[in-house]
Amino acid sequence: DTGVSQDPRHKITKRGQNVTFRCDPISEHNRLYWYRQTLGQGPEFLTYFQNEAQLEKSRLLSDRFSAERPKGSFSTLEIQRTEQGDSAMYLCASRTVGDTIYFGEGSWLTVV
Amino acid sequence: GQQLNQSPQSMFIQEGEDVSMNCTSSSIFNTWLWYKQDPGEGPVLLIALYKAGELTSNGRLTAQFGITRKDSFLNISASIPSDVGIYFCAGQRNNNDMRFGAGTRLTVKP
Repeated sequence: DTGVSQDPRHKITKRGQNVTFRCDPISEHNRLYWYRQTLGQGPEFLTYFQNEAQLEKSRLLSDRFSAERPKGSFSTLEIQRTEQGDSAMYLCASRTVGDTIYFGEGSWLTVV
Repeated sequence: GQQLNQSPQSMFIQEGEDVSMNCTSSSIFNTWLWYKQDPGEGPVLLIALYKAGELTSNGRLTAQFGITRKDSFLNISASIPSDVGIYFCAGQRNNNDMRFGAGTRLTVKP
């Protein structure tokens, strides 16, 4: 499978715990995106990387959220001190110049 | 929040019927995309439109990029049960700014 891969697919955590999601983009794609999607809504942009550089962050990305792409390949999204409002699906997507964005299958987070 | 107005919110149709949904925005986009999302999965790209006025087909799906660059529609002809899902429009202005509609939930009755 050469698509965008996300792990874990599902995570249930207690409020206040930290969680980390991993994304492996399509191998030749230098641009990587994180989106958040809640029930009944379309995906909302969180942040964007070009290679290892984080070029844009949405105001939705509070101080408790941090994303990295240390070697310009896989990326991680960490949420610290989770809150119930963080419950959502976190989508990763990637693209290369001139191509469209392809999404992974998402990582579901439930904060209890 | 959402900047695209997608309608209808939901549709219930009989198998074999045609479907039409659209997306409008107050902003101009350079690219319009249509995605389908099944429960618990990520969105899958159906059609991408790159030029105003462009009309593109993908099997039973046809989509158009509005002349004003502020709207797009998607048609599905002769619907089948596997067309069930949520359809999202997305407008893209530059390399990293893609906005989604709230989705159209399609139900197809056999």
